[in-house]
This record gives sequence, C-alpha cells and structure tokens, in this order.
Amino acid sequence: AQSVTQPDIHITVSEGASLELRCNYSYGATPYLFWYVQSPGQGLQLLLKYFSGDTLVQGIKGFEAEFKRSQSSFNLRKPSVHWSDAAEYFCAVGQGAQKLVFGQGTRLTINP
Amino acid sequence: DADVTQTPRNRITKTGKRIMLECSQTKGHDRMYWYRQDPGLGLRLIYYSFDVKDINKGEISDGYSVSRQAQAKFSLSLESAIPNQTALYFCATSAHGRNTEAFFGQGTRLTVV
Repeated sequence: AQSVTQPDIHITVSEGASLELRCNYSYGATPYLFWYVQSPGQGLQLLLKYFSGDTLVQGIKGFEAEFKRSQSSFNLRKPSVHWSDAAEYFCAVGQGAQKLVFGQGTRLTINP
Repeated sequence: DADVTQTPRNRITKTGKRIMLECSQTKGHDRMYWYRQDPGLGLRLIYYSFDVKDINKGEISDGYSVSRQAQAKFSLSLESAIPNQTALYFCATSAHGRNTEAFFGQGTRLTVV
C-alpha cells in the first residue's frame, strides 16, 4: 500500500537556524513527490515537487528537498528559517497530482 | 481572487442534517478532488473527478456524495452529518496528465454537533 511517513509531529527551531523535515514514502511505482505548506487558517501551498531528473529540487521561499530512492526519502531543508516559516508542512506522493497520499504533517514552531 | 474557492469557509451543523460544501475553480482544470484533514492524519482523499462525467471514490467516501455540476464546480454533500465528520475539508484541482500539481482551496471548517 502507498504511504507517507513524517516521523516528526512537531519541531521547534530558533530563527536563523537550519531546518530539515523528514519524509519517507512507500510507493509501488516511480513516485511523484511533493511538499506543501499550510499556514494558519490557509489552504495548502506547493513548496516544491519532484517528478524526475535532478534529485535535488529547489522550491519557493528558499526551501529545497532531496530525493533519495535508496532510502525512500524526500527530506525538506532550509538553511536559515524565518519566523514566517512557522506553519504545518505536508509531504505527499502520487502519480502526478491525482490521488495524492499525504503524510501526517509536521508542525514547525520558530523561536525568536 | 482565489483560483479555487470554497464556500462556506466555516459551518456548524447538527447531527442528522444534510449539508453541502461547494467548490469552484477558475484554472480551467479538468480534475477536481475533495480531501478531508484531521489532526495527526494529514489529508485523505474522499472523492475525485477527472471530468464532468467521471466520479470516483477515494479512500474515505462512506457517508459522503459528490456532484460535478460543470467543469468548474464540484460539490461535496454529507447526507446525514455525524460528529466524526467534523474536520477541515479541502477542494483541489489539477490539470490532465502526470507532470502536474494540485492547487488547493482555503478549506471549509465543518463542525457537526
């Protein structure tokens, strides 16, 4: 069965510190991978996506993610977080945008 | 204006009532989806539609029905609401094909009392 695991339910980092959010997936076919961010009271905004090619993908707001097939992972990183990055982050896998399977989400808190 | 608009944004309803959540999109996409978000569970797919004449059940369709009134409109109905349907509901759209992404509405927070 297809599944996505985000092992960290809640992460707290200090402003200016680096960030890594973990995502592991189980998928029978070649995965299409996504990271979405949900700010309080808002919908989901796409941060970045991986379909094929270069395994290091760049997204909006200074985020990047690396696809590692051998580890079935697609971890999200940012070198220096800003207070505005506080939000909930979702990793998802699918065949393109259809029938996405989402992880449980990781809530990010930023300490000033 | 938002590309994917959901109405209402918030709704409180009583157990046993019928309720409809509406979604409209201006992106011209063929494909539309309804997801449900619960704390600690992420988003789960309720129903999806690849075109006006195509409706498919998702992971958790029991207790829900949908109607695709037009390419741009996709509504979700709870025929007889129950408290465990209290959740945040998202509509999404995507273009045809695999190298696509989903665009989400801002969500409808539904409380069933």
